[in-house]
Amino acid sequence: SQKIEQNSEALNIQEGKTATLTCNYTNYSPAYLQWYRQDPGRGPVFLLLIRENEKEKRKERLKVTFDTTLKQSLFHITASQPADSATYLCALEFNAGKSTFGDGTTLTVKP
Amino acid sequence: GAGVSQSPRYKVAKRGQDVALRCDPISGHVSLFWYQQALGQGPEFLTYFQNEAQLDKSGLPSDRFFAERPEGSVSTLKIQRTQQEDSAVYLCASSSISGNHYEQYFGPGTRLTVT
Repeated sequence: SQKIEQNSEALNIQEGKTATLTCNYTNYSPAYLQWYRQDPGRGPVFLLLIRENEKEKRKERLKVTFDTTLKQSLFHITASQPADSATYLCALEFNAGKSTFGDGTTLTVKP
Repeated sequence: GAGVSQSPRYKVAKRGQDVALRCDPISGHVSLFWYQQALGQGPEFLTYFQNEAQLDKSGLPSDRFFAERPEGSVSTLKIQRTQQEDSAVYLCASSSISGNHYEQYFGPGTRLTVT
């Protein structure tokens, strides 16, 4: 079965720095790889999607890369702010919408 | 517009009781998903509907879990004879289809505690 590993349980960085989160997976490459943000007591919120034939996707201060050879995605937040503090989830979507989620990385941005 | 809503937000059940969790998806969303999220872990897929048809229920952990969406809108996840290991947050997501991709919108979840 598919296994997803997200780097370190927690990541602490200083405001203004770039946060880099890692998502590694085994077995098959998904059709789509998604990143979500989850705040305590709330459901995940979709941030970005990247397709298997795409190398990189950007949205404002967010950037996602997808390397199907390494079976890895990197998620970058540039010019990080305390408001970016949250848990970030990586999810693999295969056909028919069923998604497999990683356990998330908790990011804390300190002022 | 209104997002996905779930009720109740919190539910405490005694072991052995039956519970019913409700999900109101975004109007017009064809697809609906249920996930279970344990503390400190990511959501785990339970089941998926397209309209009223349950197309995948491979994630339901036992036959005590049952989900329905009779009119293709509101969905209910029922857990019979609850056990302590059922304690978790149950998330519902609805989705529109963009090309072949399902962009999922999650509700706030129902936190179930079985005592």
